[in-house]
Amino acid sequence: DTGVSQDPRHKITKRGQNVTFRCDPISEHNRLYWYRQTLGQGPEFLTYFQNEAQLEKSRLLSDRFSAERPKGSFSTLEIQRTEQGDSAMYLCASSPRDRANTEAFFGQGTRLTVV
Amino acid sequence: AQSVTQPDIHITVSEGASLELRCNYSYGATPYLFWYVQSPGQGLQLLLKYFSGDTLVQGIKGFEAEFKRSQSSFNLRKPSVHWSDAAEYFCAVGAGGGGSYIPTFGRGTSLIVHP
Repeated sequence: DTGVSQDPRHKITKRGQNVTFRCDPISEHNRLYWYRQTLGQGPEFLTYFQNEAQLEKSRLLSDRFSAERPKGSFSTLEIQRTEQGDSAMYLCASSPRDRANTEAFFGQGTRLTVV
Repeated sequence: AQSVTQPDIHITVSEGASLELRCNYSYGATPYLFWYVQSPGQGLQLLLKYFSGDTLVQGIKGFEAEFKRSQSSFNLRKPSVHWSDAAEYFCAVGAGGGGSYIPTFGRGTSLIVHP
């Protein structure tokens, strides 16, 4: 078990471009979360999957943000038409649904810089 | 809706001194509570968690926290700080149970350790 893996670790993109980030959760973890973290702030919840079902997406920041988890394993977060305000750390976490008392395990994040 | 307040943005202590980081939460039922630590450019690592039972919980790296329902608090403590403890600390509350369980984070407290 190698933990939650995120790719890439860093991404620099020009304003207006689309970007996609990948998250591989801990194997057999049913729940997967995406968070955004800006400088000096705590992680801000974006969306959440249980297996392939996206159960909460109302907190995605705008319709430019979308996430998928097509086979209930890895997930992708896409940002279309990036803006400078999208510059942040994007964190992925996973947890096992079958255990009630468990925490979320975080990856190391993808740092996005929009220039 | 659940929320977390970490009133101290920065805390400075001398190496070897004791530490207490404050956390207050808002949640209607019994919360699940967590403390995470984040080193620069890294993801979040769980220090300790409270789900039920003994209100004083022990974590990794010599940290402990006490759940006080009457004060809606879950303060983190360490009797003797090491220079390697310098990092960002986040308190989080989760709804718990078999429901959505989405951890909500505070803005964090930055710990500075003087030699």
